[in-house]
Amino acid sequence: EPEVTQTPSHQVTQMGQEVILRCVPISNHLYFYWYRQILGQKVEFLVSFYNNEISEKSEIFDDQFSVERPDGSNFTLKIRSTKLEDSAMYFCASSEDFGQSGYTFGSGTRLTVV
Amino acid sequence: AQKITQTQPGMFVQEKEAVTLDCTYDTSDPSYGLFWYKQPSSGEMIFLIYQGSYDQQNATEGRYSLNFQKARKSANLVISASQLGDSAMYFCAMLGVTGANSKLTFGKGITLSVRP
Repeated sequence: EPEVTQTPSHQVTQMGQEVILRCVPISNHLYFYWYRQILGQKVEFLVSFYNNEISEKSEIFDDQFSVERPDGSNFTLKIRSTKLEDSAMYFCASSEDFGQSGYTFGSGTRLTVV
Repeated sequence: AQKITQTQPGMFVQEKEAVTLDCTYDTSDPSYGLFWYKQPSSGEMIFLIYQGSYDQQNATEGRYSLNFQKARKSANLVISASQLGDSAMYFCAMLGVTGANSKLTFGKGITLSVRP
């Protein structure tokens, strides 16, 4: 079964450093997303991406965050200057259409900012 | 705005018994979708079941079924014949679509523990 692949599975970084989280969505999917889950809390929407541009972003997704699809397969989330409160599990997801046929989530990247 | 409410405290069920996990929602959109995801301790989000707001029948996927009561705005997950591997966190989520955008709004989740 096709899956969304995220790397790395764990990342520890120092406060103020830049991190790039990587995702390979399912190949025939057109819509891509990043979600965040702070430990013990609910999953929160960060950003959606379609046709090589951001289609929607939440208020969490401030100027420190950016997304990119640098080639035909990868989808990345960059945090320019990490803060302690950025520590969370970050999930990439993709969908074939608007999501009615289901979102597929990756297994997540656990980011720890120290 | 869309809202998902999961208020049950940690749930416990005996192996092989059925369990219902509650979810209520609020939206002004005429068309929406409801998902349930399972999150084991390893952290990944596993899709379980989907119900569209216009679907005439309740969704079923193997041991999972969704008790969809549109008038009451509830979408409870029923797990039949619980297994030890069902112990996990369960999230209800609503799909909202506006124009060319879609996103999921999640509830805060319910912890299910299956006892042998």
